Amino acid sequence: EPEVTQTPSHQVTQMGQEVILRCVPISNHLYFYWYRQILGQKVEFLVSFYNNEISEKSEIFDDQFSVERPDGSNFTLKIRSTKLEDSAMYFCASRKDGGSSYEQYFGPGTRLTVT
Amino acid sequence: SQQGEEDPQALSIQEGENATMNCSYKTSINNLQWYRQNSGRGLVHLILIRSNEREKHSGRLRVTLDTSKKSSSLLITASRAADTASYFCATDGFNDYKLSFGAGTTVTVRA
Repeated sequence: EPEVTQTPSHQVTQMGQEVILRCVPISNHLYFYWYRQILGQKVEFLVSFYNNEISEKSEIFDDQFSVERPDGSNFTLKIRSTKLEDSAMYFCASRKDGGSSYEQYFGPGTRLTVT
Repeated sequence: SQQGEEDPQALSIQEGENATMNCSYKTSINNLQWYRQNSGRGLVHLILIRSNEREKHSGRLRVTLDTSKKSSSLLITASRAADTASYFCATDGFNDYKLSFGAGTTVTVRA
């Protein structure tokens, strides 16, 4: 069964460094999302992406964050200058085209630790 | 905010018993989805119920939705040790499909 994959599974970085988190969504899906979950807290929406552009972003998704779909398969989240509070589990999710398909399928996550 | 809020926060049951957890939300929704998360792992999609549906089944899972009360319930029948996990409800709206998650119910199934 197709699934969303994410790399790396764990990333440790120093404050101020740039990180790129990678995701490969399910191949026939057209909507892509990033969420994050700080330890012990709720899963929070960061950004949605469709047709090669951001369709919506949350207040968390400030200028330090960017997303890109550099080719037909990868979907990346970049944090330009990491802060301690960016430490969290980052999840990528994807969804088929609209119509009757609303299920979002999540990847296994990347645990980002900022020291 | 459309955030779902689960109740109870934690649930401990014996293997073979049923587990019921509830989710409440604040504004009108398009769909409500339930996810399972094993400790420190990813979110596994369990079931989606649309706003015009009242009940849905999938294997040992039964989901109900009451839009008048803005609430949903997830029932896991004949629980197994492998059902030990956190369970989250997530809602989406009519104009966007970003998910708003609740804080989750932690279910422990004792052997």
